[in-house]
Amino acid sequence: IQMTQSPSTLSASVGDRITITCRASQTISGWLAWYQQKAGKAPKLLIYEASSLESGVPSRFSGRGSGTEFTLAISSLQPDDFATYYCQQYKNSPYTFGQGTKLETK
Amino acid sequence: EVQLVESGGTLVQPGGSLTLSCAASGFTFGDYWMNWVRQAPGEGPEWVANINQDGTERHYVDSAKGRFTISRDNAENSLYLQMNRLKAEDTALYYCARDPSRGYSYGYEDYWGQGTLVTVSS
Repeated sequence: IQMTQSPSTLSASVGDRITITCRASQTISGWLAWYQQKAGKAPKLLIYEASSLESGVPSRFSGRGSGTEFTLAISSLQPDDFATYYCQQYKNSPYTFGQGTKLETK
Repeated sequence: EVQLVESGGTLVQPGGSLTLSCAASGFTFGDYWMNWVRQAPGEGPEWVANINQDGTERHYVDSAKGRFTISRDNAENSLYLQMNRLKAEDTALYYCARDPSRGYSYGYEDYWGQGTLVTVSS
């Protein structure tokens, strides 16, 4: 299953609301996770089952979608949110990731 | 606190072999599926393999089948990845990561180590 994220790069400012899209090449129901990765660090789980917030993740992060189209939203960007974001499908092995969306400061 | 610490990464020649290790602590290791996920420089993560709680079920990405073997030692709280016939395209940071399920694999990862770097080059 191929996962395609858009945009590849997103420029935004602190306080902005942003949305990242992830599309699957075939239906994955709601079997989708979102991760945040900062330079030199391991990915960090944010969202699983498309919309369930991982424990300890701020509520400004939210996920939506099912089937083949999914979104990750951040309601009010904080300085700590500038990072790269990946989606991952886990409907079928091999569990594939998107190519990433780099969120940078405008 | 859950901790996963990988080791064993190094520079290896094409065609060579290497075994990676992951030491787990802070949770009951034998209760969880475990994964290896790799990330080539500048690329997104790529899931490589997973193994069930007692080591009787294993799954691999196609590029690893026949060359890599995932295993675990629950008495030692350790996960391993034996890699044979290494290729330049196997160059990556290799992460050990936990699946949050205590039953059958969910397929995503809730805790990750810091990674160990494997470089395949002559």
